[in-house]
Amino acid sequence: SQQGEEDPQALSIQEGENATMNCSYKTSINNLQWYRQNSGRGLVHLILIRSNEREKHSGRLRVTLDTSKKSSSLLITASRAADTASYFCAADNNDYKLSFGAGTTVTVRA
Amino acid sequence: NAGVTQTPKFRVLKTGQSMTLLCAQDMNHEYMYWYRQDPGMGLRLIHYSVGEGTTAKGEVPDGYNVSRLKKQNFLLGLESAAPSQTSVYFCASSQLAGGLNEQFFGPGTRLTVL
Repeated sequence: SQQGEEDPQALSIQEGENATMNCSYKTSINNLQWYRQNSGRGLVHLILIRSNEREKHSGRLRVTLDTSKKSSSLLITASRAADTASYFCAADNNDYKLSFGAGTTVTVRA
Repeated sequence: NAGVTQTPKFRVLKTGQSMTLLCAQDMNHEYMYWYRQDPGMGLRLIHYSVGEGTTAKGEVPDGYNVSRLKKQNFLLGLESAAPSQTSVYFCASSQLAGGLNEQFFGPGTRLTVL
């Protein structure tokens, strides 16, 4: 069964605004990853946060992790049209596999 | 480097036909994965391999077989295709560097079974 669940399913924002999406998972993890998928393409790794980290930044991306609530959030600041994509969280249980959520579709309006 | 490549990009099958999807990676990764992606369901793991000559079942293995005869290739076979196997199939690879399973994905194969 899928471990990660994203919320919301879809998000529409104006260019320049921030986009926040959340992910919940079910069991203990080694790390939590976020991937982006542009329409018709494969997934691309964005950022990874380890279970002993609470917050991580990479450019305009900020990820938080709350292991007590089994949840993570991805914030994209100052969004651009090129950020239009689907975003997936993936839970790594340290068993060679990742469990992906259903994704959040983000549309950035010009 | 080409990264992860998949062949073919598109395919249409009739129910009962068979086919093989090829995944190749040039990053010398040990671990390879086959996923299917259906609308609203994210990615579901079909089979995976932790090294040449090894394979293991994922979440949705029924109706599929795999082989990893060479480290760089991971083949996914459908022996008798069914309409329920209409999906987009993604291959991924990983090296588990530092124990972290960052995966690199191919562009996908869009399969339609009529």
